[in-house]
Amino acid sequence: DAGVTQSPTHLIKTRGQQVTLRCSPKSGHDTVSWYQQALGQGPQFIFQYYEEEERQRGNFPDRFSGHQFPNYSSELNVNALLLGDSALYLCASSLFGTSGRGSYEQYFGPGTRLTVT
Amino acid sequence: AQTVTQSQPEMSVQEAETVTLSCTYDTSENNYYLFWYKQPPSRQMILVIRQEAYKQQNATENRFSVNFQKAAKSFSLKISDSQLGDTAMYFCASSHSLNAGNMLTFGGGTRLMVKP
Repeated sequence: DAGVTQSPTHLIKTRGQQVTLRCSPKSGHDTVSWYQQALGQGPQFIFQYYEEEERQRGNFPDRFSGHQFPNYSSELNVNALLLGDSALYLCASSLFGTSGRGSYEQYFGPGTRLTVT
Repeated sequence: AQTVTQSQPEMSVQEAETVTLSCTYDTSENNYYLFWYKQPPSRQMILVIRQEAYKQQNATENRFSVNFQKAAKSFSLKISDSQLGDTAMYFCASSHSLNAGNMLTFGGGTRLMVKP
């Protein structure tokens, strides 16, 4: 049973560039959430996708956008990169299900380490 | 808005001993979940234990147990018989819905070192 996978593992970008990070959810899951974890801090919620739509959003600027595909995989896009965007980006998947209650567990991927120079 | 606070940036414990990590939270919700996650150097965030706010009984998972004090909004994690593999960052988190699809709010973490 494949867990949550993320690619790439590491990424180095220059200020002003754009980046795309990818996530495949755990088998059977339909919801993907993205978190930003700065060095030495706890993760912060960016947004969540369900049924190919953004369902919830944290306090992040519009430079952060995402997408969910019919197979439930997801992308996180960040435009006009700033030095402060350097962080570990975590993807988490869960099951919302048709009942609207789903499961309360979120399973995390290993993360993508983004460095902006 | 929910907030989660972990007041112990670092802790250490001798192998086989017991350690308790502290967490306090603030929420206006009646229904919510609380979690402890472990993040080893490999970076993979792993769920250690969860507690439903409507349950009075403290959750237990093998060597891990919690002390959930709802009125005090406190949620501490006790690790018994500490093992070297328990060395990691530990994050307390809350979700203000019975549906885990909702966002997790994390504390700042406690770095735990288990010494041989």
